[in-house]
Amino acid sequence: DQQVKQNSPSLSVQEGRISILNCDYTNSMFDYFLWYKKYPAESPTFLISISSIKDKNEDGRFTVFLNKSAKHLSLHIVPSQPGDSAVYFCAASGGNNRLAFGKGNQVVVIP
Amino acid sequence: GAGVSQSPSNKVTEKGKDVELRCDPISGHTALYWYRQSLGQGLEFLIYFQGNSAPDKSGLPSDRFSAERTGGSVSTLTIQRTQQEDSAVYLCASSFAPRSGGNYGYTFGSGTRLTVV
Repeated sequence: DQQVKQNSPSLSVQEGRISILNCDYTNSMFDYFLWYKKYPAESPTFLISISSIKDKNEDGRFTVFLNKSAKHLSLHIVPSQPGDSAVYFCAASGGNNRLAFGKGNQVVVIP
Repeated sequence: GAGVSQSPSNKVTEKGKDVELRCDPISGHTALYWYRQSLGQGLEFLIYFQGNSAPDKSGLPSDRFSAERTGGSVSTLTIQRTQQEDSAVYLCASSFAPRSGGNYGYTFGSGTRLTVV
């Protein structure tokens, strides 16, 4: 049962434009959300997180938005750069010690 | 070490054989996690260690899977009588404590790519 869902498995965007990645979750107990970035043949690395007490968290070119009523979060990358080409995983936690991950979104930034 | 180390990086095994995957976490990290990623799937939680004990084994897919951790450090994931559906990338992560820090404190290893033929 996939508790964290990432549809639209791949996204292509022109350099300098905005990349928007979406993530939906089903477990109302989730209260902490994270995005990880993964290059081919490398391990996932933490990108940005948000607590359920917030609806927005920004870090440089990366902003995560949380809509708790819709059980939806999104990651905005602006402006997109070629180095942003990677797989992005959405993850969520509900107070226990595990993270539930989505299947990932492949982002390709076209120079 | 400076990061989470996993070995082997690649393993090809025949169906029915046993395999052992090793994870060497960052020194001082008390929490250790095993995940796997099958083709086209997200990261699937397998097991979590706090010190040497495993309070959450609920993600282990069958009794062919087991894991242990010794000395609060190295962990071994063992898969007995491997099946083709066990083929996946097995990722280990460690952190100072469960749910620590704004990023959850997870540092992932590079993974072991297991192929069962």
